Amino acid sequence: GENVEQHPSTLSVQEGDSAVIKCTYSDSASNYFPWYKQELGKRPQLIIDIRSNVGEKKDQRIAVTLNKTAKHFSLHITETQPEDSAVYFCAEVNFGNEKLTFGTGTRLTIIP
Amino acid sequence: EPEVTQTPSHQVTQMGQEVILRCVPISNHLYFYWYRQILGQKVEFLVSFYNNEISEKSEIFDDQFSVERPDGSNFTLKIRSTKLEDSAMYFCARSLTDTQYFGPGTRLTVL
Repeated sequence: GENVEQHPSTLSVQEGDSAVIKCTYSDSASNYFPWYKQELGKRPQLIIDIRSNVGEKKDQRIAVTLNKTAKHFSLHITETQPEDSAVYFCAEVNFGNEKLTFGTGTRLTIIP
Repeated sequence: EPEVTQTPSHQVTQMGQEVILRCVPISNHLYFYWYRQILGQKVEFLVSFYNNEISEKSEIFDDQFSVERPDGSNFTLKIRSTKLEDSAMYFCARSLTDTQYFGPGTRLTVL
């Protein structure tokens, strides 16, 4: 079945520095990889996604890279700000079904 | 992104009672989903709903759970006989293609 591993589970970064969160997946049929940000008590909010025909995607300070051969994808946040503090979840969707399979989450803390 | 509303925002119930959680999605979305998130844990898929039928369900979605779209608009998740371990946030999500957007969630507390 689908399985997504996410590392690290917690990450503290000095404001202004970069943060990187990594996920690996097991199913080669996975073709869609979103990242969600979840603030305390709130819904998961989509921040960026990537599809399997693309290796990298960037949106301002946020970028995602995908390595299909190695079955891993990463979230990169540059010039971090205090409002980036949250729990970040990677997820994947397997071609042929619609469900999101989530990673276990990374609690990112930006130190002012 | 267009809003999806969920009611109630918080539901407290006694073990063994039935609860109905409601989601009001945007009408032109094709796929609807229910997910749950136990406090401090990851988000888990429960069920997907397409064209007024269950499309896929997880192992969590046992006989105690059911979904309906009773009036063609609201999308409901029913838990027939709640257990303590059903305490969690329940999120409705919707999509047109593969991108899923989550509602604000219902916090279910089973006492």
